[in-house]
Amino acid sequence: GAGVSQSPSNKVTEKGKDVELRCDPISGHTALYWYRQRLGQGLEFLIYFQGNSAPDKSGLPSDRFSAERTGESVSTLTIQRTQQEDSAVYLCASTLQWGSYNEQFFGPGTRLTVL
Amino acid sequence: DAKTTQPPSMDCAEGRAANLPCNHSTISGNEYVYWYRQIHSQGPQYIIHGLKNNETNEMASLIITEDRKSSTLILPHATLRDTAVYYCIVRVEYGNKLVFGAGTILRVKS
Repeated sequence: GAGVSQSPSNKVTEKGKDVELRCDPISGHTALYWYRQRLGQGLEFLIYFQGNSAPDKSGLPSDRFSAERTGESVSTLTIQRTQQEDSAVYLCASTLQWGSYNEQFFGPGTRLTVL
Repeated sequence: DAKTTQPPSMDCAEGRAANLPCNHSTISGNEYVYWYRQIHSQGPQYIIHGLKNNETNEMASLIITEDRKSSTLILPHATLRDTAVYYCIVRVEYGNKLVFGAGTILRVKS
């Protein structure tokens, strides 16, 4: 089957606009993660979802960031009133189940540029 | 999760073994060593993980010192396609989020 997909692959927006990023996890994967990666830096955890449990939002940098996931399917990450420091690659990953050593499968990312 | 230290960059000749070191002196007993890599413009990719015994799979070998304070990822016959940033992470096996540092940029040269 297909891997994790993300859309759009690139997004350029103006400061102050809202953006919505989409992630389609691997079918059957119950856990889904969002990360941010700034240029030349490592991953920064944002949020993760596991089934119907309350998501772990501990990594969200501000209340301008929010994410939703319906069941075990698509997730959307929304950034309101974007700022230039939000420019980064946003990566989504899924894994078969929470609490599993199974590796996280990453999508190709969405490159967000805020002008 | 314990912190890791890796060299910022390394070069390797194509066809030779690439040995990537990682220090994790504060690793605790229930933490595993994981390796991921990220090829340019792609998402990270899992390579291997281990607790204390050496591990090998189709991609690489992982050698962990007896005191578990350091490890080495070995790519036995590096190819140009192995050029990537390699991340060493320590975490509990049944953990969730990944926390990457800056990693090691491996450049495989012909």
